[in-house]
Amino acid sequence: DAGITQSPRHKVTETGTPVTLRCHQTENHRYMYWYRQDPGHGLRLIHYSYGVKDTDKGEVSDGYSVSRSKTEDFLLTLESATSSQTSVYFCATLSKSSSTDTQYFGPGTRLTVL
Amino acid sequence: AQKITQTQPGMFVQEKEAVTLDCTYDTSDPSYGLFWYKQPSSGEMIFLIYQGSYDQQNATEGRYSLNFQKARKSANLVISASQLGDSAMYFCAMREGDSGAGSYQLTFGKGTKLSVIP
Repeated sequence: DAGITQSPRHKVTETGTPVTLRCHQTENHRYMYWYRQDPGHGLRLIHYSYGVKDTDKGEVSDGYSVSRSKTEDFLLTLESATSSQTSVYFCATLSKSSSTDTQYFGPGTRLTVL
Repeated sequence: AQKITQTQPGMFVQEKEAVTLDCTYDTSDPSYGLFWYKQPSSGEMIFLIYQGSYDQQNATEGRYSLNFQKARKSANLVISASQLGDSAMYFCAMREGDSGAGSYQLTFGKGTKLSVIP
């Protein structure tokens, strides 16, 4: 485990409102990721970060932005939430060793956009 | 084309029996890694096992083993002696490129729901 927490764990919001999800890690891992999980789609990458202030887009980045001002925190923002963004959001960090690299996941945030 | 294909949406296995969950992948990169994750009904994603494309032997972790057939581009998860606690969704994922370079992005399959019958 990489000591990953996500907040909030559950959120209900209305269409058009801004939403920010927070991922916090205690392992000083360089790489962090945001995924969304929807039925029938598995997990899909939204954005990732490879260091403080260094981020890049993933497969489903439209409608999302991210920020990383500290190593331990990675924020995901929905500027104007839509019903299609109702999903479970997972944060992950990358643990690297000499022989492999493994992503460990936070507990997830269930977001409902009404 | 899908990069990771899990063809079994759901499977049943008798307790104490072995079960194989299928995963095929598609990549032209000679260097890649394959991962399996478990997601119980509580929702967390739990890392199970990893196989690198250059690994000579199949990976094993306790009751989990990965049947890696490179020429067939398959990376099936084998769970031996199934337990009730093995009931969960199982996801296969792939990282393309060297471990040590790139973004380490994972591409996931859609998952297989395993139900263990007492």
